[in-house]
Amino acid sequence: VMTQSPPSLPVSPGESASMSCRSNQSLLYTNGHNYLDWYLQKPGRSPQLLIYLGSNRASGVPDRFSGSGAGTDFTLKISRVEAEDVGTYYCMQALHSPLTFGGGTKVEIK
Amino acid sequence: QVQLQQSGPGLVRPSQTLSVTCVISGDSVSNNTVAWNWIRQSPSRGLEWLGRTFYRAKWYNDYALSVKRRISINSDTSRNHLSLQLKSVTPEDTGVYYCARAGSNTGLDFWGQGTLVTASS
Repeated sequence: VMTQSPPSLPVSPGESASMSCRSNQSLLYTNGHNYLDWYLQKPGRSPQLLIYLGSNRASGVPDRFSGSGAGTDFTLKISRVEAEDVGTYYCMQALHSPLTFGGGTKVEIK
Repeated sequence: QVQLQQSGPGLVRPSQTLSVTCVISGDSVSNNTVAWNWIRQSPSRGLEWLGRTFYRAKWYNDYALSVKRRISINSDTSRNHLSLQLKSVTPEDTGVYYCARAGSNTGLDFWGQGTLVTASS
């Protein structure tokens, strides 16, 4: 089970935003990687990959996005939020089958 | 650049079979370093992973328990596409269905545009 908080996050442009994802099982594999990904779903669009293996930015993702954490607790931080960052952020564990998603954190601009 | 183009009927009658196709360009469905996934999204269930298929010298499938008795994911190497079939649908199967590629330890890096399927009489 993946639990995200907060469910809603109002942020002013230029401010930073931080959200949490917690798993009820460790996502650390024996190879040293944490199998936790972050996705952003913009309104009316398919989800897009932001972060994989806990802290690796996907191709083309601005360095304003950073992922951290290990084991069962993970954080996604957005520094200097921009209007285009609006949407719902999901974490997903990719270690255990079935792959499972969190309920999402909806980021909106104040 | 990998692109996934989905197609399928938007309306399915209860008890019938839901079918969605995902045409792959820029990659091969038999690429032995990736997996091809189906995920659906609904207001009541959120994002729900349904299953995947992948090729590692032979084909493997892995399905979510919640749909295991009803789901089938197949690949067509001649057309370079994958397909989802979900039998005996109910209104609870209504949602947006996505195909997505899982890279090798790189997350679900490419997604289809989504197909809205409504199960209703």
